[in-house]
Amino acid sequence: KAGVTQTPRYLIKTRGQQVTLSCSPISGHRSVSWYQQTPGQGLQFLFEYFSETQRNKGNFPGRFSGRQFSNSRSEMNVSTLELGDSALYLCASSLGPLSSGNTIYFGEGSWLTVV
Amino acid sequence: AQSVTQPDIHITVSEGASLELRCNYSYGATPYLFWYVQSPGQGLQLLLKYFSGDTLVQGIKGFEAEFKRSQSSFNLRKPSVHWSDAAEYFCAVALDNYGQNFVFGPGTRLSVLP
Repeated sequence: KAGVTQTPRYLIKTRGQQVTLSCSPISGHRSVSWYQQTPGQGLQFLFEYFSETQRNKGNFPGRFSGRQFSNSRSEMNVSTLELGDSALYLCASSLGPLSSGNTIYFGEGSWLTVV
Repeated sequence: AQSVTQPDIHITVSEGASLELRCNYSYGATPYLFWYVQSPGQGLQLLLKYFSGDTLVQGIKGFEAEFKRSQSSFNLRKPSVHWSDAAEYFCAVALDNYGQNFVFGPGTRLSVLP
C-alpha cells in the first residue's frame, strides 16, 4: 500500500511568486492535513481537509490556502511568497478527521526555499 | 494556555544506555497522545499512540510510553538505545475539539554516542 506522496520534493521560488504543493493520501484516507516545519517555529498545523471541506485552519495568513479533490488528493497554495515561508511542508493523511484520533501518516515533505 | 511541552531540547546518550524523553501537556481533558520520530530530511513516523485503557503503551523499534494523568505527562522510554535512534522526537496531541486538531511539541533532538 503506497504511503502519502508529496510533490515536488524540492523547489526554489523567488519572493512574490506563488507555489502549489500536492499531496496524495494513502488509499482510502479521507482526511488530509498540512503542516509547516521551520527551525524557529517547529511544527505548526496549517489546515485540515476532510471530504473536500476545510475543517479547521491554523494561525496562518490568508496567503496560505488549500483544497481537496473528490479523490482526496489535496493541494496547498502559498501566494506572494516571503522569505519566511521557506520551510518543510508536510502533508499527512488519516482515515477519519483529526478530531477522531485516527492515526495520521506523514509524507516525506516538500522543501520550499524562497530567495 | 493550552500547550504541549518537551522540556529537553537536546539529549545525548551512549549507545546501549536507557532513554527517557519527557512530554507534558496542559489541556482540560485527556487528549489522544502520540510520539513521532523524524530522521534528518524525512517525514514523521509514528512510534506509538495512546487513546485510552492501559497507560503503558508499546510501540515500534522497542519504544514504550507511559501516560500519567496526574502529571499530564506521556514520557517516551527505551531500555537500550541504538545508534540508529538518533533523530528528532515529537510528542503530539489530538484533541476531540473542532478548534484544536493536532498540536506538536517543540521536539527533542537525540544524539547517540558510540
